[in-house]
Amino acid sequence: QVQLVESGGGVVQPGGSLRLSCTASGFTFRSYGMHWVRQAPGKGLEWVAHVWYDETTKYYADSVEGRFIISRENSKNMLYLQMNSLTAEDTAVYYCAKPLATNYFESWGQGALVTVSS
Amino acid sequence: EIVLTQSPATLSLSPGERASLSCRASQSVGSHLAWYQQKPGQAPRLLIYDAFNRATGIPARFSGSGSGTDFTLTISSLEPEDFAVYHCQQRREWPITFGQGTRLEIK
Repeated sequence: QVQLVESGGGVVQPGGSLRLSCTASGFTFRSYGMHWVRQAPGKGLEWVAHVWYDETTKYYADSVEGRFIISRENSKNMLYLQMNSLTAEDTAVYYCAKPLATNYFESWGQGALVTVSS
Repeated sequence: EIVLTQSPATLSLSPGERASLSCRASQSVGSHLAWYQQKPGQAPRLLIYDAFNRATGIPARFSGSGSGTDFTLTISSLEPEDFAVYHCQQRREWPITFGQGTRLEIK
């Protein structure tokens, strides 16, 4: 079955950088666009970024545009999120998500907690 | 961006009762709306997509309706495991957006 496992979360100082990884299995990873979605403590869900199956197109939320970069390595079934210039507002659990054929989120990882604090 | 407003923020009901949760969009999303259930410490689970289609494995007591700007998630008879937070999400246009969530709690 589909499995998504995030890693790379942790505590980082304001202005710092962090890279999240998502290891995918149980489906043909190279055939699917993938997403990152985050959830700040006690808050709702916020879509963060999307990358097409072939990495030719990427979309970002305005809140992260210019600071975060989504990428993938299809040969390794890996999805990444490079996060730069982090602020306290980026503190959240970050989920990688596989969509249904369209952009609804059918499968989710367990999440990686990112805490931005001095 | 399309803003989704969910109401009520909190809904207090008893097992066996019927629940109706609302999601209103700031502009038409057609039928491009989904509902998710989230329990504490867990990732969300897709319940309904394209306004009324149940995702794989979702019980028939969950149903979705609506189109355009007004949508409803109905749980016909609440089971103890249904008490959770529910989120709506639109995919009509970028950026993808979510509502702020409705907490369904046991009365």
